[in-house]
Amino acid sequence: GAVVSQHPSWVICKSGTSVKIECRSLDFQATTMFWYRQFPKQSLMLMATSNEGSKATYEQGVEKDKFLINHASLTLSTLTVTSAHPEDSSFYICSARDKGLEPQHFGDGTRLSIL
Amino acid sequence: AQSVTQLDSHVSVSEGTPVLLRCNYSSSYSPSLFWYVQHPNKGLQLLLKYTSAATLVKGINGFEAEFKKSETSFHLTKPSAHMSDAAEYFCVVSDLNNAGNMLTFGGGTRLMVKP
Repeated sequence: GAVVSQHPSWVICKSGTSVKIECRSLDFQATTMFWYRQFPKQSLMLMATSNEGSKATYEQGVEKDKFLINHASLTLSTLTVTSAHPEDSSFYICSARDKGLEPQHFGDGTRLSIL
Repeated sequence: AQSVTQLDSHVSVSEGTPVLLRCNYSSSYSPSLFWYVQHPNKGLQLLLKYTSAATLVKGINGFEAEFKKSETSFHLTKPSAHMSDAAEYFCVVSDLNNAGNMLTFGGGTRLMVKP
């Protein structure tokens, strides 16, 4: 149980393109999901907390207009990287808690490469 | 405020020998502690968690960790390393008394297993 699916797993696109990443909780409802960014050989950095039915809470230094988060249902949160540039290339990982309880369950991540 | 320090960025062991990955934490409240493993280009998989029950926690794949409050440590051990254990390991703390319930990640330890 407690499976989180993330799609796509890898995306390569041109600079200026907007890219949408989906995060789904497959067998539980998640009122809160989290989006992380991971640079090579580094730990995870929390970008934002996605709240179902309300606005996301962004961490300091994360551009809200660059990284759009939508959490329209209890099983789906999306992260859209708008007008992506090479510096946005990274590994993005989502997570969710079942019934708001620890631990967080992580998706397999999305590797974003902007040319 | 909470923080996590993984004392070794890299650990190398021979197959069949014991594994010790060190983690120290600081937290203002009674923390929950977790160990996650990340294989290349994958998300994080939960190995084990401590949530104020037994101080010796057994996880998957033969891993275990001991919560020592006096030493503020939560070291991960395994009696005998397998080649498949080679991965990145993250020690994580969650402050359950913090309304934000955020996770704080250690910097990660890369475990290498030699044949």
